[in-house]
Amino acid sequence: AQTVTQSQPEMSVQEAETVTLSCTYDTSESNYYLFWYKQPPSRQMILVIRQEAYKQQNATENRFSVNFQKAAKSFSLKISDSQLGDTAMYFCAFMSYNNNDMRFGAGTRLTVKP
Amino acid sequence: KAGVTQTPRYLIKTRGQQVTLSCSPISGHRSVSWYQQTPGQGLQFLFEYFSETQRNKGNFPGRFSGRQFSNSRSEMNVSTLELGDSALYLCASSFLAGGITDTQYFGPGTRLTVL
Repeated sequence: AQTVTQSQPEMSVQEAETVTLSCTYDTSESNYYLFWYKQPPSRQMILVIRQEAYKQQNATENRFSVNFQKAAKSFSLKISDSQLGDTAMYFCAFMSYNNNDMRFGAGTRLTVKP
Repeated sequence: KAGVTQTPRYLIKTRGQQVTLSCSPISGHRSVSWYQQTPGQGLQFLFEYFSETQRNKGNFPGRFSGRQFSNSRSEMNVSTLELGDSALYLCASSFLAGGITDTQYFGPGTRLTVL
């Protein structure tokens, strides 16, 4: 079974600085997606970034980028130029190509301080 | 495109009652998945429907059931409610091509409180 581990329950960062959230996963599958979702206090889950396992290039979306290390089964999220609106719970998630059963980590609560 | 919508947004029920939650996916998305989110257990997969058929099911008791209609809208039903069913229920829709799933987009959730 796939498992996703986020080892940092809480993190904080000063506005405009950079922060990295960690995620590791365990799977025997070769075709899968990895995601970072953001859940602000409104509770709406918002897709931040996604990575397909077969792609060696790390995904980037504006201020958000990932460091995908397939052999190490590591998928960290880097947030550059942190903004107050980035304050939220961040969930790392795994999903295989053939199964919509997405597995989530426990989440990291990120606080951006002014 | 309109996003995933869920109704109602909030529900209060008492133990033993049953409840039905509704989810309308993004237009063109035919896969709908349901998740339960609680502080203790985190986000857990309930089930997924595609073309009116349940494709996958998580590890939940039979009190939790669902269905999908021909327009891809989905409903989730919980019978004989227990206090532990209090949670945020999230629905997500995705587009499938060639049997391969794609990114799931979430609705705002239904907050269920069981008294």
